[in-house]
Parts: sequence; structure tokens; C-alpha cells
Amino acid sequence: KQEVTQIPAALSVPEGENLVLNCSFTDSAIYNLQWFRQDPGKGLTSLLLIQSSQREQTSGRLNASLDKSSGRSTLYIAASQPGDSATYLCAVRRGTDSWGKLQFGAGTQVVVTP
Amino acid sequence: EPEVTQTPSHQVTQMGQEVILRCVPISNHLYFYWYRQILGQKVEFLVSFYNNEISEKSEIFDDQFSVERPDGSNFTLKIRSTKLEDSAMYFCASTRAYNEQFFGPGTRLTVL
Repeated sequence: KQEVTQIPAALSVPEGENLVLNCSFTDSAIYNLQWFRQDPGKGLTSLLLIQSSQREQTSGRLNASLDKSSGRSTLYIAASQPGDSATYLCAVRRGTDSWGKLQFGAGTQVVVTP
Repeated sequence: EPEVTQTPSHQVTQMGQEVILRCVPISNHLYFYWYRQILGQKVEFLVSFYNNEISEKSEIFDDQFSVERPDGSNFTLKIRSTKLEDSAMYFCASTRAYNEQFFGPGTRLTVL
């Protein structure tokens, strides 16, 4: 059974520092992995999708890496800003389905202080 | 940019009442989902829907729940007889194959 874990559960950094958010999963047979941002009481905004055949995906200040064999993904946010304060969720899709369900981690709550 | 929309944003209901949560997925997407997030807990999968039928459902999705695509644009989740433990944020999502899932803003359901 797939388990998705995100450590740490919470993180506080001063503005300008780089953020490193970790996601681990127990079953390496994934189809892809998606990173989301969630603001309090709001929906999920997709940040990056990384396919199982990829090692890395970049969008602006965001970079996600994937090491499928070790069951880990890392989201890097460069030069953090107070507007980056949110909860970041990772979710994996199992290896057999191009359209299957996502299984989520509990998230990392990030606070960027001015 | 196309987006998934959901109505209502907040629904308050009495225990035992029926509720219908509505979603309009992105227009060229073929796969639709409902997830829920109980306050302080993980987002959890409820059901997926493709070609007018359920593709997969979780253990949570019992006989009290049903989904429907009544026309070419709407996708609904019905809870027949709500319980206190159904209080949660319900998210609709849609995707094309191989691609990322896009989520709506959610409906907060409060069961009193």
C-alpha cells in the first residue's frame, strides 16, 4: 500500500532564503508526481508535474526533482518571498494508470517572514 | 485560462439531509474526480469517473454517495443522508490522460 510522507510538517524561513521541501513514497512504481500549493481554506493549485521518466522539472523559481528508485521528490523554491507562505502538498499517481487517483501527503506548512 | 469551478462554495445542512455538490470540469477533459479533506487531515480520494461511469471508488464512497454527469458540462456528487463526519472540504478535479489533475476551489460542507 502506497504511503506518502512529507517532512517537515512546518517550516519558517526569512525572506530570500531558499526553501527545500521533501516528499517520500513507499512504492516506487508511480506514474507521475504532482506538487500543489494550498492557501488556508482554499483549493489546490498545481505547481509542477513530474513524470516517472523525468529526473527534474522547472517552472520559474520552482524546481522539482524525482528519484523514483529511492522513493523521493524534493521541491526547491529559490529566493523565497512572503507570498510563498502556504501549505505545499505532494501527490503520487500509481504506476498502472495515466488517469488514476492521486494519493497525497499531509503537506508542509511554510511561513516566509519579511 | 480554463479552470474547474465548483458551487456552492459553502453548504450548511442538517444531519440526514441530502446535498448535491456541483462541479464544472475543464471542457476538454475526460476524467473527473472527487476528493475530500477533513479539517487538519490529508486530501483523500473518493471516486473517479470516465465515459459516464465510475472508474474507481474508495472505501469512503459507500451507498450514501453517488456521482453523475447530467449533461455535457456538469459533474455532481450527491450525499443522500449526511452524517456529522461528512463535514469536510470537497474538491472536484479533472484531467486529460497523462497530464496533471486540475482542482476546483472546493465546497466546504458543514453538517450540523
